Amino acid sequence: TQLLEQSPQFLSIQEGENLTVYCNSSSVFSSLQWYRQEPGEGPVLLVTVVTGGEVKKLKRLTFQFGDARKDSSLHITAAQPGDTGLYLCAGQSYQLTFGKGTKLSVIP
Amino acid sequence: NAGVTQTPKFQVLKTGQSMTLQCAQDMNHEYMSWYRQDPGMGLRLIHYSVGAGITDQGEVPNGYNVSRSTTEDFPLRLLSAAPSQTSVYFCASVSENTEAFFGQGTRLTVV
Repeated sequence: TQLLEQSPQFLSIQEGENLTVYCNSSSVFSSLQWYRQEPGEGPVLLVTVVTGGEVKKLKRLTFQFGDARKDSSLHITAAQPGDTGLYLCAGQSYQLTFGKGTKLSVIP
Repeated sequence: NAGVTQTPKFQVLKTGQSMTLQCAQDMNHEYMSWYRQDPGMGLRLIHYSVGAGITDQGEVPNGYNVSRSTTEDFPLRLLSAAPSQTSVYFCASVSENTEAFFGQGTRLTVV
C-alpha cells in the first residue's frame, strides 16, 4: 500500500499570513494532485504536477513536485478566509491514493 | 452539465439493513471509483472500475459490492449494514488525464 503523509494535519492562521502544506511518501508517483474540499462537498481538483521539480502557480497558490517525484508542497501567499477548507494530496500510480488532508482555517 | 450525481445525500439505516448508493456520470469516463471518508482517515478506496463489466477491490472492500453494467452507472451496495460503515461516501469519475470528479457525497449513519 502506498502511503501519503500530509502535514500539518490542522492549521489555523490569520488572514494575510503565508503557509506551506507538505505531502510526503516513500513511493514514486507518476503524478501528484492537490484537491480542495469544502464542508458538505466533494473534493475539487486544484492542480496536477507530473515532472520532478515542477512548479505550478495558481494565483496565490504555488505547488511544487519533488525532484524524486515522492513529495510535494503547497504554499499559499497572503491567505484569505476563502482559502479555508480541507486540502488533500493524491498520488497517481495504478490507482489514486489520497493523503489524510490538512484542515486549514483562515481567520479574518 | 451534471458531472457526477450521487443519491441519496443522507441516509440512516438500522444494523443489518441493506441499501444501494447510486452514482451516475455523464462525462463518458471509463474509470470510476468509490471512497469512504472518515475523520482523520482521509479518503479510502472501496472499489473501482476501469470500464463496463470490470470491477476490482480497493483498500477497504469488505461489506460492499459493486457492479458496472453501463459506463454511466456505478452503484455501491451495502449487503448488511454495520455501525462501522457509518461514513461519508464519495463516488468519483476519472478522466483520461487522471482528473477525478467527485459527487457531493452520501452521509450514511448506521444505528
